[in-house]
Amino acid sequence: DTAVSQTPKYLVTQMGNDKSIKCEQNLGHDTMYWYKQDSKKFLKIMFSYNNKELIINETVPNRFSPKSPDKAHLNLHINSLELGDSAVYFCASSYPGTGYEKLFFGSGTQLSVL
Amino acid sequence: GESVGLHLPTLSVQEGDNSIINCAYSNSASDYFIWYKQESGKGPQFIIDIRSNMDKRQGQRVTVLLNKTVKHLSLQIAATQPGDSAVYFCAENYGQNFVFGPGTRLSVLP
Repeated sequence: DTAVSQTPKYLVTQMGNDKSIKCEQNLGHDTMYWYKQDSKKFLKIMFSYNNKELIINETVPNRFSPKSPDKAHLNLHINSLELGDSAVYFCASSYPGTGYEKLFFGSGTQLSVL
Repeated sequence: GESVGLHLPTLSVQEGDNSIINCAYSNSASDYFIWYKQESGKGPQFIIDIRSNMDKRQGQRVTVLLNKTVKHLSLQIAATQPGDSAVYFCAENYGQNFVFGPGTRLSVLP
């Protein structure tokens, strides 16, 4: 029944490793997002995909690569993890993605890089 | 770039009192605003929204006020309950994107 689900919930890893976070939405939405929330709770958009096409790509290191195999999934792969990547990553979706509708968020993935 | 800010990072209120959470936005072109509630360990959850052609909108126990003249948004929660304890974010649209404020933590005292 979960509308936007992301896995894993927690991810603890060493610097230099490569990791992925998966996101799926069953709402039939066309647009999906990745947001990063830092330790001070500040939320910032990273990427936006509309029907598998990249729409927004904010200033994010190219170690971060989103992949959308279909419009219901948006995964985030991170290469060569750094300490500063530690944060909570939220997946979200909306319809139709014009900036005039609410976002539905997943429960977040807390990434800790040691 | 443009940003959204909050006047009060933390707010403590007595149970049963009304709460007012404020937000200042700087992008005069923004014409759609949303308030989200984030409980511990969860993602932000939609509370209420408002378009720029309105200055007030009411929901269940919540009211959003928009003052475009001074670029100010507020969220009023009536009869605050323990379950209202959370971090509250305002967000403004910026093209197809949303810019979020830094958040206000609301603590409800017994």
